[in-house]
Amino acid sequence: GQQLNQSPQSMFIQEGEDVSMNCTSSSIFNTWLWYKQDPGEGPVLLIALYKAGELTSNGRLTAQFGITRKDSFLNISASIPSDVGIYFCRMEYGNKLVFGAGTILRVKS
Amino acid sequence: GAVVSQHPSWVICKSGTSVKIECRSLDFQATTMFWYRQFPKQSLMLMATSNEGSKATYEQGVEKDKFLINHASLTLSTLTVTSAHPEDSSFYICSARLQGAGNSPLHFGNGTRLTVT
Repeated sequence: GQQLNQSPQSMFIQEGEDVSMNCTSSSIFNTWLWYKQDPGEGPVLLIALYKAGELTSNGRLTAQFGITRKDSFLNISASIPSDVGIYFCRMEYGNKLVFGAGTILRVKS
Repeated sequence: GAVVSQHPSWVICKSGTSVKIECRSLDFQATTMFWYRQFPKQSLMLMATSNEGSKATYEQGVEKDKFLINHASLTLSTLTVTSAHPEDSSFYICSARLQGAGNSPLHFGNGTRLTVT
């Protein structure tokens, strides 16, 4: 099956710090999406990337679709307490949907 | 924006009973809905793809007779956990894609926490 690796597994950072997480895959894909999940709720879409090399921002969030189409990163600048949650990358191949294992983010204020 | 409603948000049931979870797309039609389960601190694992008017497609290792999926209309899919056991306790989440929208992002429900005692 397709391999999708997300790192880091968890981060515990100080409020105001920048955060970076990434996903890599063993295959090429056309779409990368980043989601955030709060405890007990469903994932919420943060950023969608559709073109290799695409760099997209959404407020303090920035994500890029790697030029090789095998990786993507998500950056959060100037973290705040409400950034706490689990962040997932997702990709699709054929009719299959695959999520990364998630990055647990905790912010110390 | 597109909204997916999932009901109930939590349910506790006794071992051996069946539980039905509903997933509704509130303001759009969804030909395809997806069902996931998620264990604590783990990622979402796709269980099955629910197709309106046809049989669901199950992922390898997911028992179709245990997790019954019905997608009778363009706005409703149901997942029934039959003869539930404690190991079925998990967080179940559905998602839906706008009809005819190809690779558009999925819209997720808020999940159902199932506890089997």
